Amino acid sequence: ETGVTQTPRHLVMGMTNKKSLKCEQHLGHNAMYWYKQSAKKPLELMFVYSLEERVENNSVPSRFSPECPNSSHLFLHLHTLQPEDSALYLCASSHRQQGRAEAFFGQGTRLTVV
Amino acid sequence: AQSVTQLGSHVSVSEGALVLLRCNYSSSVPPYLFWYVQYPNQGLQLLLKYTTGATLVKGINGFEAEFKKSETSFHLTKPSAHMSDAAEYFCAVTGGSGGGADGLTFGKGTHLIIQP
Repeated sequence: ETGVTQTPRHLVMGMTNKKSLKCEQHLGHNAMYWYKQSAKKPLELMFVYSLEERVENNSVPSRFSPECPNSSHLFLHLHTLQPEDSALYLCASSHRQQGRAEAFFGQGTRLTVV
Repeated sequence: AQSVTQLGSHVSVSEGALVLLRCNYSSSVPPYLFWYVQYPNQGLQLLLKYTTGATLVKGINGFEAEFKKSETSFHLTKPSAHMSDAAEYFCAVTGGSGGGADGLTFGKGTHLIIQP
């Protein structure tokens, strides 16, 4: 398997549930990202991990909790979400080196909060 | 701080016609610029990128873009549209002086419609 893989592809959860999104990259990259894509809004950068350390957290509510156990895996733990959190969540990875800043994206997890 | 403006949330062209999608950026450091394409229910696929060097960059599927520093623009073009080009297109920027882990700032996207 190559590229960036996200599971599950679709998730429906209640507001009191706890779930996790998983991302795995097979590209040898050392930076990973979570983005949120909502209807009619630009892609929003949520979290950045570089060399397994979180380097950016763009004022994301605490009901979203990222985890990066190693350079190949990234998780997004979800709890007590709101209906407005329904969106496509995209994981991406890149190589932390000048001139190679392009990010490679997974196919996303379509999250619906009911 | 960086930002991206994509003019036109929807662009419609006839099959075989020129495609022009506009992107203007703002960056306090030399930028790296990207165009991505997204098909329904899919992630983003890189079309092309500008980092340094030649200002006219060629990408996949016959697309190209030209970096114009004086106009702070990075417009995407394709000489002849194909039905399979119908998708959402995103322009993005990141700081070129960074280590490649700054994250991308995206425009709102342009939905390209191809008329038969």
